[in-house]
Amino acid sequence: ETGVTQTPRHLVMGMTNKKSLKCEQHLGHNAMYWYKQSAKKPLELMFVYSLEERVENNSVPSRFSPECPNSSHLFLHLHTLQPEDSALYLCASSQRSGESFGQETQYFGPGTRLLVL
Amino acid sequence: QKEVEQDPGPLSVPEGAIVSLNCTYSNSAFQYFMWYRQYSRKGPELLMYTYSSGNKEDGRFTAQVDKSSKYISLFIRDSQPSDSATYLCAMSGVAGGFKTIFGAGTRLFVKA
Repeated sequence: ETGVTQTPRHLVMGMTNKKSLKCEQHLGHNAMYWYKQSAKKPLELMFVYSLEERVENNSVPSRFSPECPNSSHLFLHLHTLQPEDSALYLCASSQRSGESFGQETQYFGPGTRLLVL
Repeated sequence: QKEVEQDPGPLSVPEGAIVSLNCTYSNSAFQYFMWYRQYSRKGPELLMYTYSSGNKEDGRFTAQVDKSSKYISLFIRDSQPSDSATYLCAMSGVAGGFKTIFGAGTRLFVKA
């Protein structure tokens, strides 16, 4: 496996279900991201983990709960979602350093297409 | 006002045409400008990366940044059907803690 992988690729869930999205990066990077992509809207940054510590939480509802057990894996735990949460959820990774000043390239996974009924 | 504005299209051109994709932005602190390409059912992949104003060329692709006008462009020469995708502009800089801000993406169709 190379790059950034995500599972599952597609997920349909009811509003009362609990599910988890998984992301794995094989690039040796030290930062991982969750984004939400809705039709005709910009990518919305949800969470950033750097060296396994959460460094950013963009006012995301508590029904989304991230977990980063190590620098290669990132999870997004979902519970009691709403239909408006249906979207493509993208994971990305990058190599951050003290001198990168935001110029590090983010590498994206293929995404998980989520439908909440 | 949105930080980054990008026309969602769709933009439809014949094969061989020159394509011009554009974004405008409002935050003058942005320093790094990127273009990502996203094929259907795939994640975005980095296409071009530029720092500050000027042009950068890579094969059929040219990225242009005009910081005085807060305007960036991506030109595709001799467009091919395989160029059909959504193109996302993105930028980052000192402001906002170096967060990368994405445009909504422009959907491009190149007809054979």
